[in-house]
Parts: sequence; C-alpha cells; structure tokens
Amino acid sequence: EIVMTQSPATLSVSPGERATLSCRASQSVSSNLAWYQQKPGQAPRLLIYGASTRATGIPARFSGSGSGTEFTLTISSLQSEDFAVYYCQQYNNWPPATFGQGTKLEIK
Amino acid sequence: EVQLVESGGGLVQPGRSLRLSCAASGFTFDDYAMHWVRQAPGKGLEWVSGISWNSGSIGYADSVKGRFTISRDNAKNSLYLQMNSLRAEDTALYYCATSIFGVVRNAFDIWGQGTMVTVSS
Repeated sequence: EIVMTQSPATLSVSPGERATLSCRASQSVSSNLAWYQQKPGQAPRLLIYGASTRATGIPARFSGSGSGTEFTLTISSLQSEDFAVYYCQQYNNWPPATFGQGTKLEIK
Repeated sequence: EVQLVESGGGLVQPGRSLRLSCAASGFTFDDYAMHWVRQAPGKGLEWVSGISWNSGSIGYADSVKGRFTISRDNAKNSLYLQMNSLRAEDTALYYCATSIFGVVRNAFDIWGQGTMVTVSS
C-alpha cells in the first residue's frame, strides 16, 4: 500500500502571504494526486486533481505541482477563508485510495 | 442541485451490524463510480470502499475487508455500505462521495455531509 506523507503537520502563515504544502508518496503515483480542503464541521472539498488541475470553481490562487513521488500545493495569497486542513490523496494504485495525514494551515 | 445524503448511522454495540445508505440526486447516478470515506473524531480521512458505475469493480481498505460490503442500486440512485462485526475503531463520520468523470480510479468531487457511526457497549 502506498503511504502518503504530508509536511508540515501545521503551517502558520499570515493573511496575504504564500503557503506551500508538501506531500510525498512512498512510491510513484504518476500524476494521480488530488488535494482537498476541509473546514471544521464540513465535508472535504476537492481543490486539485491530476496533480495540477483545479477543480470547478476553485480560485486561481490555488495551484498544484509535482509528479511521481513529490507534490506541492501552493496558495499564492492567503485569504481568511483558506485557513483549514488540507489533505493529499493518491488514486493511482486503487484500491486503496490513500490519504495523507493532513496539514493544518493556521493564521500566524 | 447535486446532492448526496447519507443515512443509517447511529450507536451500535461491538460485533453488531449496521447498514449505511447514500441517496443521490441532481445528477445521473449510474454514470458515476462511488466511494465511502470515513473520519474518526479529530482524525484524518480514511478511504473505506469504492464501486464502479456497474458494480464491476469493487475495492476495500484492508481495515474493513471481509467485514464491510459496498453495493449500489442504480434504479434507486442509492449507494450502500453493509457493516458487519463492527469494532470500536470503526467509530467515525462516514461520507459518501463521487469520483470525477465517473471513473472509480479518480479524485472525489461531490461529497455528502456524512452520517456518524459510534461503536460502543
């Protein structure tokens, strides 16, 4: 089973600044990687799929990059509504579709 | 409006069974693969099971294999999860979700709000 490891566990950033979140796969997942945002009491929301394609309605300040085993989610200028927990997920070797443990993005 | 609504959760004793349902509306259900994802209180997301549009491809997490069964009824626009031999570690909020472009091996774009399952004596 592919293990997804996210870093850091918690990231403190000021509004208006850039945030960079990392996700590493234990073996290659090609570009079959998604990013989700989850706010307290809400279901996850798909942000990025195919490692770099924004889902419908996702603002351009969210971007994804990487392939193989190393991936990055960048939020170019943080807005107040962006503070949440972010998960990466691989779906290359299905089943299973494994998630990372999450990165909590908090206000500095 | 595209919507997924889960139901069937509740408090159940260890070793007992529970059946979750997910009702879909606002889209052509039988065009889409479906999944169950769970989240234990205060923890991260864990994929549980997935099923292709025609039930021809089914997968399970190792943690539930042999105990849980996923199924769907396209005529009723519904997804199910039969959970047997429940354990305390199955306690979680259970979400159903669709795969984008209908392909089972893909990201999950539509999510329900979840149904809570608590396994405790």
